[in-house]
Amino acid sequence: TQLLEQSPQFLSIQEGENLTVYCNSSSVFSSLQWYRQEPGEGPVLLVTVVTGGEVKKLKRLTFQFGDARKDSSLHITAAQPGDTGLYLCAGALNDYKLSFGAGTTVTVRA
Amino acid sequence: DAGVIQSPRHEVTEMGQEVTLRCKPISGHNSLFWYRQTMMRGLELLIYFNNNVPIDDSGMPEDRFSAKMPNASFSTLKIQPSEPRDSAVYFCASSQITGTGYSFGAGTRLSVL
Repeated sequence: TQLLEQSPQFLSIQEGENLTVYCNSSSVFSSLQWYRQEPGEGPVLLVTVVTGGEVKKLKRLTFQFGDARKDSSLHITAAQPGDTGLYLCAGALNDYKLSFGAGTTVTVRA
Repeated sequence: DAGVIQSPRHEVTEMGQEVTLRCKPISGHNSLFWYRQTMMRGLELLIYFNNNVPIDDSGMPEDRFSAKMPNASFSTLKIQPSEPRDSAVYFCASSQITGTGYSFGAGTRLSVL
């Protein structure tokens, strides 16, 4: 059983559309990280959110940490084929241990 | 910055053989992690080193698995003897300050026949 539940599991959209990926838990995390993983490669860190209610923007990506620090969302505006990949959220259980969600596979069609 | 370097990228071996995976963390990073990724279980932490010392090996599945970090620039994960259920992608990751995000290597895809 995953401590972090990600939804949806799969998402396929047309270039230019918007999408949102959710990461939910009943546990409180001191911080939460989002990674993107492409086939045959390791996960690449996108962002770390620390404060409840925090919103961070990275170009067309917007990350939000829930007020209670139990959930997070990733919103992509005007998705492009280069956004295709496996998006993973990871919650910090202590100062070094992360619990990863199962991931959301995003496919952006040209 | 060359990033975290893992070798080999792919390993195919037969059941019962010894397998050694290698990792070179980013210079200056004092934390090193070994993860395993499978479709069924996702990313799982196997072992965590801080300043070359193993701090948490609770994720190591069995005594068949062992890990070492003889110095700040090198770590190995050994499986002896290997079994088909060990087939997975093994990642090494390093971090300068724990909790602030990790840099992952490209992984070693292990197939045990």
